[in-house]
Amino acid sequence: SAVISQKPSRDICQRGTSLTIQCQVDSQVTMMFWYRQQPGQSLTLIATANQGSEATYESGFVIDKFPISRPNLTFSTLTVSNMSPEDSSIYLCSVTSRDRGIHEQYFGPGTRLTVT
Amino acid sequence: RKEVEQDPGPFNVPEGATVAFNCTYSNSASQSFFWYRQDCRKEPKLLMSVYSSGNEDGRFTAQLNRASQYISLLIRDSKLSDSATYLCVVNSGYSTLTFGKGTMLLVSP
Repeated sequence: SAVISQKPSRDICQRGTSLTIQCQVDSQVTMMFWYRQQPGQSLTLIATANQGSEATYESGFVIDKFPISRPNLTFSTLTVSNMSPEDSSIYLCSVTSRDRGIHEQYFGPGTRLTVT
Repeated sequence: RKEVEQDPGPFNVPEGATVAFNCTYSNSASQSFFWYRQDCRKEPKLLMSVYSSGNEDGRFTAQLNRASQYISLLIRDSKLSDSATYLCVVNSGYSTLTFGKGTMLLVSP
């Protein structure tokens, strides 16, 4: 599976500011995704990061709040804009690997965000 | 009905016990199925994909029943290191993964 790194690993931010999270993969991957895991909850898909075009957002998530970049096949960023305490969460980057005809997803270590 | 449902647990078992987790999914068009393991404050890690014919990996056995829309994970001879949250995950399309809330397992000496 691909090796995925994220920066920063954690941050504490003030309300109203923005934070950009970086995701780097050690090999070219077709599909990259951004998830959120709120405290005590399971993972929720925010968007699919598309290389060379706008990200595809899931219901409840919008580009103005979570702009995403994907300049190449190994890198993506997620920005959490105009943060509020409700944005406190773990943000995870993931990529797919096709093995035996099944698209398995692998996750980065996550970015733990606390908004005060 | 939730898309992917799991018993939240926790399941408290002694070392050496056999434990089974169950999961049901609502989307009959779902194509791929997985079990992930998530340790406290860590990212989910793929434990195993679940194949239609069922599959085994060491002490872990996964089963799929498409007719009942039901997935299971059996862990034999539990180890302390098996303590984690086990996430049932369903892929309903090329990229859409839906996660269950997870079942917590605590293995005690």
